[in-house]
Amino acid sequence: SYVLTQPPSVSVAPGQTARITCGGNNIGSKSVHWYQQKPGQAPVLVVYDDSDRPSGIPERFSGSNSGNTATLTINRVEAGDEADYYCQVWDSSSDHHVFGTGTKVTVL
Amino acid sequence: QVQLVESGGGVVQPGRSLRLSCAASGFTFSSYALHWVRQAPGKGLEWVIFSDGSDKYYADSVKGRFTISRDTSKNTLYLQMNSLRGEDTAVYYCAKTGGADYAMDVWGQGTTVTVSS
Repeated sequence: SYVLTQPPSVSVAPGQTARITCGGNNIGSKSVHWYQQKPGQAPVLVVYDDSDRPSGIPERFSGSNSGNTATLTINRVEAGDEADYYCQVWDSSSDHHVFGTGTKVTVL
Repeated sequence: QVQLVESGGGVVQPGRSLRLSCAASGFTFSSYALHWVRQAPGKGLEWVIFSDGSDKYYADSVKGRFTISRDTSKNTLYLQMNSLRGEDTAVYYCAKTGGADYAMDVWGQGTTVTVSS
């Protein structure tokens, strides 16, 4: 089955840039979606189709995808960005949707 | 506005059954695909089931035990869970999507299922 690997945690100071990676075999050939989940809340879509943002999501959130790694970048990090972040793809070879292992972003 | 509201969670004994509901509003229910996604306590997100109304896909962990269905007259999605196990304990979310390769753009607030004797 297809596996997506994320770093367990990323720490960043306010105003700096956080980069969260999502590794998968030839993930660059798939559409990657990213979700933010704060404690006790449902996930929220923050980036879809590798690099597009839903309405209402700040421009500080951006995404890229190439080769075996997709990346979610959060510029000018704010305290409110502290959350768990998950990548997700559709694996057409297995007809399964797959979530990454999740990354906890801590704002120092 | 677009909204999904799950219900039906609770405490159930191992081996028993439970049916979850997801009531949809604010969009044309029959035109969109829906997922069930779960999250065990302290763990990450796990995709469970996807249905676009004609095709249905199941995670290996629930295949043969869980079934998805929808009632378009009630704008409601269902998750029938049979032969429940302790590892099925989780918050269950329904999520709306445009199709198999599309993102899950709207999520419900979740309903909690606890499998315990």
